[in-house]
Amino acid sequence: DADVTQTPRNRITKTGKRIMLECSQTKGHDRMYWYRQDPGLGLRLIYYSFDVKDINKGEISDGYSVSRQAQAKFSLSLESAIPNQTALYFCATSATGEYNEQFFGPGTRLTVL
Amino acid sequence: GNSVTQMEGPVTLSEEAFLTINCTYTATGYPSLFWYVQYPGEGLQLLLKATKADDKGSNKGFEATYRKETTSFHLEKGSVQVSDSAVYFCALRGGNYQLIWGAGTKLIIKP
Repeated sequence: DADVTQTPRNRITKTGKRIMLECSQTKGHDRMYWYRQDPGLGLRLIYYSFDVKDINKGEISDGYSVSRQAQAKFSLSLESAIPNQTALYFCATSATGEYNEQFFGPGTRLTVL
Repeated sequence: GNSVTQMEGPVTLSEEAFLTINCTYTATGYPSLFWYVQYPGEGLQLLLKATKADDKGSNKGFEATYRKETTSFHLEKGSVQVSDSAVYFCALRGGNYQLIWGAGTKLIIKP
């Protein structure tokens, strides 16, 4: 079984709809992250959480919100989706510590029409 | 601020060719440096890392040396295989343990 799972894997929605992307992990990590990937831009950090009570904005948080329901779950919401939020979204986790690598989920491909 | 610049792709090579993917960075101090790989349809996974100057990271035949004098962390492999076809990302650890990413370089290996 995958250590970091994301649901759904693909989603097509319309402008103005509310969308939630979910991430679950079985690695026991405290830190979780949401990124979006756009062609030619690499990954950009949306939000990150160092524990259940700690939520921080990343580089591009406008238009997004998150919820850390438990150590293992971190959800990303688009309250009112717009077409320029069409992208590949990744969840990642890492253990506490300066050099610990990030482990990524398989991604969610979101299309906003 | 911190930034990472990678060579643009796609890079197309024949099997068994020598690979270099360039990565340079701008940062305060000496951040940890990473190469991640993304195979088609998958998430990213760590390929190798280096945490201080002159360190060499290596894994699966890939190598990269942390060169502070040239602020570079170029990825190399002596003989590539078709299975190495993927997108490769260079990254550095910025403030608050965040990763700063390059744009990615797509590698295509032809048999």
